[in-house]
Amino acid sequence: DAGVTQSPTHLIKTRGQQVTLRCSPKSGHDTVSWYQQALGQGPQFIFQYYEEEERQRGNFPDRFSGHQFPNYSSELNVNALLLGDSALYLCASSLALQPTWGYTFGSGTRLTVV
Amino acid sequence: KNQVEQSPQSLIILEGKNCTLQCNYTVSPFSNLRWYKQDTGRGPVSLTIMTFSENTKSNGRYTATLDADTKQSSLHITASQLSDSASYICVVSATGTYKYIFGTGTRLKVLA
Repeated sequence: DAGVTQSPTHLIKTRGQQVTLRCSPKSGHDTVSWYQQALGQGPQFIFQYYEEEERQRGNFPDRFSGHQFPNYSSELNVNALLLGDSALYLCASSLALQPTWGYTFGSGTRLTVV
Repeated sequence: KNQVEQSPQSLIILEGKNCTLQCNYTVSPFSNLRWYKQDTGRGPVSLTIMTFSENTKSNGRYTATLDADTKQSSLHITASQLSDSASYICVVSATGTYKYIFGTGTRLKVLA
């Protein structure tokens, strides 16, 4: 039973560039949430996708956008990268009918902006 | 405002010793509380999940308690091992929302 898969595991980008991070949810899950975790901090909620639509959003600028595909996989896009965007980006999947159960995290993508 | 506070911020103990981590929350209406273990640079892994009606739940050497009246939870680690060195994050969910409110975690270091 595959867990949550994120790619790539590490990424280095230059300030001003754009980046796309990918997430495949756990088998059977249909909802994907994205989090940003700065070093030494707890994860901060970016947004959640269900039925290919953004269902809820945290306090992040429009430079952060996402997409969910019919197979429930998801992408996180960040435009005009800033140094402060350097963080571990976590994807978590769950089942819409049981939103507070089975919330499984991926191993994350470490983004470094230089 | 929904908040989750954890203490201590960091903790160093010797291998074989026990320790207790604390979590206080103001999330309402309360749905459930999870404790996660997060190794450096890795995604969080769920240790326990507790609902309103549960007071204690164990997972091996990890035992979580919940007092819904005082809105406090604790995670007790027994006979610590070097592999317990990690951040432990308390996460609380409110009924009717899709978000989880994360604490900032307790960084535990177990020394030989």
